[in-house]
Amino acid sequence: NAGVTQTPKFQVLKTGQSMTLQCAQDMNHEYMSWYRQDPGMGLRLIHYSVGAGITDQGEVPNGYNVSRSTTEDFPLRLLSAAPSQTSVYFCASTNPDRPNEQFFGPGTRLTVL
Amino acid sequence: QQQVKQSPQSLIVQKGGISIINCAYENTAFDYFPWYQQFPGKGPALLIAIRPDVSEKKEGRFTISFNKSAKQFSLHIMDSQPGDSATYFCAASMWGYQKVTFGTGTKLQVIP
Repeated sequence: NAGVTQTPKFQVLKTGQSMTLQCAQDMNHEYMSWYRQDPGMGLRLIHYSVGAGITDQGEVPNGYNVSRSTTEDFPLRLLSAAPSQTSVYFCASTNPDRPNEQFFGPGTRLTVL
Repeated sequence: QQQVKQSPQSLIVQKGGISIINCAYENTAFDYFPWYQQFPGKGPALLIAIRPDVSEKKEGRFTISFNKSAKQFSLHIMDSQPGDSATYFCAASMWGYQKVTFGTGTKLQVIP
């Protein structure tokens, strides 16, 4: 199993540009989440999903959209990038039988100029 | 509102020494307390976790101590090794629920 994969690994955007961060998992986990990691602030939950077609907001959802059309994929969309969205983004998936154990992807480092 | 407070922010320990990282939580509904380890350029990975029915859990050189009345828990790394150098995050959640609240992280450096 590849586990949780994320693309791209690095991305530079200009203010106002849009992009989608991709996340996929091959463990048949129903639960998936997006976090951002910033220095001194730990990991903060952006959006999460408990299954295909179901998403909900986390702690810092503003400026981000998500959708979940399949169990495997959970893309994160930035509609109009801002410098405040410069961060490292992690996707995670969880087996609903062990919902508290998160499996993280390798991350996407995003810089917004 | 930060529900899980972690300290110190950074820690330097000599090889063979004991590394101690502390966390405190506010929400009494939390009943699952994991620690995650993150190496540079990688995603966090679950290291060890505890539930409040026990006061201590040990896995190899890693031990979680839990004080329910004080709403505090800590990670002890015995005989610290340079390979333990990483960022450690404590976290808290409700058992059976997906949402996890993370601490701010501690960057540990173990020097030879």
